[in-house]
Order: sequence, then structure tokens, then C-alpha cells
Amino acid sequence: QVQLVESGGGVVQPGRSLRLSCAASGFTFSSYGMHWVRQAPGKGLEWVAVIWYDGINKYYADSVKGRFAISRDNSDNTFFLQMNSLRVEDTAVYYCARETQSSGWLPTRGYYYYAMDVWGQGTTVTVSS
Amino acid sequence: DIQMTQSPSTLSASVGDRVTITCRASQSISSWLAWYQQKPGKAPNLLIYQASSLQSGVPSRFSGSGSGTEFTLTISSLQPDDFATYYCQQYNSYGYTFGQGTKLEIK
Repeated sequence: QVQLVESGGGVVQPGRSLRLSCAASGFTFSSYGMHWVRQAPGKGLEWVAVIWYDGINKYYADSVKGRFAISRDNSDNTFFLQMNSLRVEDTAVYYCARETQSSGWLPTRGYYYYAMDVWGQGTTVTVSS
Repeated sequence: DIQMTQSPSTLSASVGDRVTITCRASQSISSWLAWYQQKPGKAPNLLIYQASSLQSGVPSRFSGSGSGTEFTLTISSLQPDDFATYYCQQYNSYGYTFGQGTKLEIK
């Protein structure tokens, strides 16, 4: 069945790095854009980053731009979130999620985007000294 | 970024009630709005996309409406399984943004 499984969470000191992974199965991974969304303890959902199906187009929330990097390996059905210069406020459950269809751009339409229909179970990142 | 504001933040209701949650965008997002349900300790679950399209497998008691800046999620007859937190989310542009959530509680 369609499934996403995150891994790589843990406890890390401020300023250090961590790499999250999300393994996909049950669908043609290379055809979909993939997202990271996080949720701080007791708080709401915050979108973090997206990588398009092609692995070329990547977009980030302002709160993580320049510190986090999203990437994917379509040959291995996996995508990643490299988190550098971690801050206490990055503490959260990190979810990976799939788009319902692949976002893109067309000259006749401009950019177009989709909601997220498949989510992983989440991996917890705690940034603390 | 586009700001999304949900109301109410908390809603107390009984099984069988009809409930409505409102979501307002700080600028027009056309119909690029989704609704998610989240239960404690679980990942969000997509209910509605493109403002009014029901995601496959979601019960028909859930419905969405609206366009531009004002949207609603309606549950026609609350079931015990519906008590959860609901989030709206705009996907008109990056960065995607979510509403702050509406916690639906049992009265």
C-alpha cells in the first residue's frame, strides 16, 4: 500500500545538524512532489519545504531558508531533509507528505500546486542543550 | 506569506450536531484550499481539497465550500470519530500556510 516512513529524528544540541529521511513505497515516487511539514509540541502545523518530482525545484519556509536543505533520490524512493544550525525552536515532530499530484509550471497556466494526501507517521526532533 | 485564520479555535458539540468551521485567507487564494483532520499523536488526514472536493474514502458528511478569501468546513452529523483538530491550508503559493486549528470537543 501507499506508505511513507520517516527516520532520523533524535535529540541534538543547538547549532548541530541532523538528517531526516523519508522512504516511500506503493506508488511511483519519481512522479510526485514531496514535502516536509512540522509540528512543535502542542502547536499547529508548519510547512517546511517541498521538492518537485524532478529534484530540481525546491522551496523553503522563511524560518528554515539557508539552514535546511531538501533533496531526493528517485532511484531509491527516498527523500531527505538536511537540517543544519539547529535552533531550540526547530523542536517538533517532522512529517513527510506527498502531493496529490505533481506541482509544476506551464507558460499557459503559471505555477500550480496541490494539497498533501499521504503522510508519514512523523519523526521527533528535539533541539536542546 | 498568506495568513490563514480559523474560527472558532475550540468548538464543543454533541454527536449528531451539524457544525461549521470557518477559514479566512489574508488575500485571495481562489479555490486552492485544503482541510485536514488530525487526532492526537497521529499525522494529519486530508479531507477536502480545492475547497470543495471530497478526498477519496472520506465520509460524505464532510463538505467544504468557499472561494477567494472565505471558506467553510461543515460536518453534517457529528460522529464519535470526528472529535479531533481540524486545519485549513492554502496551496495557492509557496510557502504553504495552515490555519491555527480548530479543536472539536465533545459537549
